[in-house]
Amino acid sequence: AQSVAQPEDQVNVAEGNPLTVKCTYSVSGNPYLFWYVQYPNRGLQFLLKYITGDNLVKGSYGFEAEFNKSQTSFHLKKPSALVSDSALYFCAVRDIPGGSYIPTFGRGTSLIVHP
Amino acid sequence: EPEVTQTPSHQVTQMGQEVILRCVPISNHLYFYWYRQILGQKVEFLVSFYNNEISEKSEIFDDQFSVERPDGSNFTLKIRSTKLEDSAMYFCASSEARSAGISYEQYFGPGTRLTVT
Repeated sequence: AQSVAQPEDQVNVAEGNPLTVKCTYSVSGNPYLFWYVQYPNRGLQFLLKYITGDNLVKGSYGFEAEFNKSQTSFHLKKPSALVSDSALYFCAVRDIPGGSYIPTFGRGTSLIVHP
Repeated sequence: EPEVTQTPSHQVTQMGQEVILRCVPISNHLYFYWYRQILGQKVEFLVSFYNNEISEKSEIFDDQFSVERPDGSNFTLKIRSTKLEDSAMYFCASSEARSAGISYEQYFGPGTRLTVT
């Protein structure tokens, strides 16, 4: 079975400061991990994914995420937050090998960047 | 940049009525999905569709739900007899492909907010 947890409903950060949005996962095998962002009145937008290889994955808009197998985490990070980064962020995981090709999504974390 | 579109953006219906939610996936994508998100809760998978048939479905996707690709561009979700608990945001998504070795990212539409009264 695959599951994902986003322990924070909301993260507040000042513009220019580094940001972290946390995600932990549980799988039977190896994970495929994804981050998506949802701006108001828009669908989920793909940010980045980890399949294999380098544990540090770089994605859109300056975001990156670090895969940590021992801690079963895939936290989303950005060195310097922008007000325009304020949105809802979703982590998703897919178990490999697994019977389903469908990723499981977390509840989402609301990121608020203050000017 | 190509995008997934959904209509309507908001649908209000009475309990027991049928609704059809419409989606136009990205044109060269082969896999299509419906998800829903009840307010404040997780994004939940409903169904995936490939080659004109359902490839996977969740326990939520019971006999009240059906999907169809009536032509080369539209992908629809029908709820036959809506219940109050069907009120949610419904997202359509599509992806290029799917294989055991690669997981392609999904592209989501903006959603349809369904309100059942």
